[in-house]
Amino acid sequence: LAKTTQPISMDSYEGQEVNITCSHNNIATNDYITWYQQFPSQGPRFIIQGYKTKVTNEVASLFIPADRKSSTLSLPRVSLSDTAVYYCLLFIGSARQLTFGSGTQLTVLP
Amino acid sequence: DTEVTQTPKHLVMGMTNKKSLKCEQHMGHRAMYWYKQKAKKPPELMFVYSYEKLSINESVPSRFSPECPNSSLLNLHLHALQPEDSALYLCASSQDREVGYGYTFGSGTRLTVV
Repeated sequence: LAKTTQPISMDSYEGQEVNITCSHNNIATNDYITWYQQFPSQGPRFIIQGYKTKVTNEVASLFIPADRKSSTLSLPRVSLSDTAVYYCLLFIGSARQLTFGSGTQLTVLP
Repeated sequence: DTEVTQTPKHLVMGMTNKKSLKCEQHMGHRAMYWYKQKAKKPPELMFVYSYEKLSINESVPSRFSPECPNSSLLNLHLHALQPEDSALYLCASSQDREVGYGYTFGSGTRLTVV
């Protein structure tokens, strides 16, 4: 099964745009890219999902290049409450299984 | 109702005890999952139920026994656990296994084995 690689941690300041990039070199044709957010002692929360090009919702954007070997989660104007672990996941279509990456700890500073 | 409810939130059990974790959802989802999460690690899939039938068992030790009594409930029975089984146990549901988005996770049960 394909795996994802993402930075272990990132720091940002309030009001800035944050971009977290994930690599997934072995992504298969029917795999989807999904991002989740997790606060301490809580379950992960769905943020956004995409297959290719760009997807935007009310909280984030997801940019996926044509080769799909990487993706970038963009969080506009972060606040302190965005401090959390962000997981880049693949939905493995062949196995119909959601596979978590190692996660990126985002810390937003005042 | 758009939540997955897990009980209890915290559980301390001895290595000879038998306990159960419970998970409930009323979103009409037909796929339900158990994940195990150790500190500072991503969740790891344990079991998948699809339409109340066990679809995936990720080589989990037999001291963990899942049960899906109906489409809204998922249990995880625990027996003779080891201290290394201490973790956050997460339940999740999705519309069905074919859909890769919209997984809803519960807040988890923090399990401590002493």
